[in-house]
Amino acid sequence: QQQVKQSPQSLIVQKGGISIINCAYENTAFDYFPWYQQFPGKGPALLIAIRPDVSEKKEGRFTISFNKSAKQFSLHIMDSQPGDSATYFCAASITDSNYQLIWGAGTKLIIKP
Amino acid sequence: NAGVTQTPKFQVLKTGQSMTLQCAQDMNHEYMSWYRQDPGMGLRLIHYSVGAGITDQGEVPNGYNVSRSTTEDFPLRLLSAAPSQTSVYFCASSYSRHYGYTFGSGTRLTVV
Repeated sequence: QQQVKQSPQSLIVQKGGISIINCAYENTAFDYFPWYQQFPGKGPALLIAIRPDVSEKKEGRFTISFNKSAKQFSLHIMDSQPGDSATYFCAASITDSNYQLIWGAGTKLIIKP
Repeated sequence: NAGVTQTPKFQVLKTGQSMTLQCAQDMNHEYMSWYRQDPGMGLRLIHYSVGAGITDQGEVPNGYNVSRSTTEDFPLRLLSAAPSQTSVYFCASSYSRHYGYTFGSGTRLTVV
């Protein structure tokens, strides 16, 4: 069964620190890896995404690192701020699928001031 | 642009009642989907549609029906509500497979 395993389940980071969330997959037919950010009471929102032909993508303080051989990808949040406190979901899209995403279970991130 | 609009935001149902959760998008997205989100279980796909007149089941379709008569609307019907359907429901739409989903703000449903 296709799965995306996300860790840790929860994470507490001091303000200004680096937050790191990891995801691993088994199915090599994935070809698009987005990350979503969800604040309490809101729907998830696309944060950043990467394709497997790229090893790293950076948007502001958010960076995705992708390791194709290890079948792992991770989200790094540099200079973490209290406003980054949210739940983060990784996901993977199957090649030639009907738009469907396979979701990680989510990571609740708390940034301590 | 309103994006994805879900109504109602909150609903309490009695066991056995039926209801329809509404979802509308104004972005001309072909793909629409319904998810439920429960604590510790992430997002689980209920039903999805790749265009008007085309729907298919997701991971947890039992107890739910959908239809897609227009590109804009994708309602989710609960046939006979059960306490196990207490959850937060999200509708999402997408322009293409590599474009990302736009989510609505959710409907919090409680079945008593």
